Amino acid sequence: GEDVEQSLFLSVREGDSSVINCTYTDSSSTYLYWYKQEPGAGLQLLTYIFSNMDMKQDQRLTVLLNKKDKHLSLRIADTQTGDSAIYFCAESKEDDDMRFGAGTRLTVKP
Amino acid sequence: NAGVTQTPKFQVLKTGQSMTLQCAQDMNHNSMYWYRQDPGMGLRLIYYSASEGTTDKGEVPNGYNVSRLNKREFSLRLESAAPSQTSVYFCASSGDHSSYNEQFFGPGTRLTVL
Repeated sequence: GEDVEQSLFLSVREGDSSVINCTYTDSSSTYLYWYKQEPGAGLQLLTYIFSNMDMKQDQRLTVLLNKKDKHLSLRIADTQTGDSAIYFCAESKEDDDMRFGAGTRLTVKP
Repeated sequence: NAGVTQTPKFQVLKTGQSMTLQCAQDMNHNSMYWYRQDPGMGLRLIYYSASEGTTDKGEVPNGYNVSRLNKREFSLRLESAAPSQTSVYFCASSGDHSSYNEQFFGPGTRLTVL
């Protein structure tokens, strides 16, 4: 089946930028998402991007999409301790299920 | 609005026991989903219901059944629990399965099967 892959762990210092990377295999993916999961909670949508876009910025979050390489990244500027969580990349297309990566656990050290 | 609610939050079962996980949403969404989350594997879709009255298998349906009781409620049943079903189960809902598909998640049910 189609896969979504992410590295499992990332550690940064407070105030630095974090970059979480994701690759996917389905070239017909229409929508790509970043979800955040805090301890003991469900997933919450952080941001999304349509496949015909290269970049989307939303306050401290920047999403970059390289459709040719099927690579998606999430950059968090000025990372804070409250950003510590698991971040899931996901993709979907019309009339199809959403597929999630395994999640990247971001640890922010003071 | 409560969003998506799930009960129970925690459950311990013995092998062979049965149980039903409950899920309800108050956002008038058409589509509802059940996922399981296992370490290092992300979320895997068990079953979904694109609209009231329909259910479909996802990636890992074996050992589970579902019921879309009405538009608000979507339950997941384990008829004979196995240790391999130890996991965290998430229910989610979305307005429409067929297009841009922001899913709203419940807080999860942590299930242990001994």
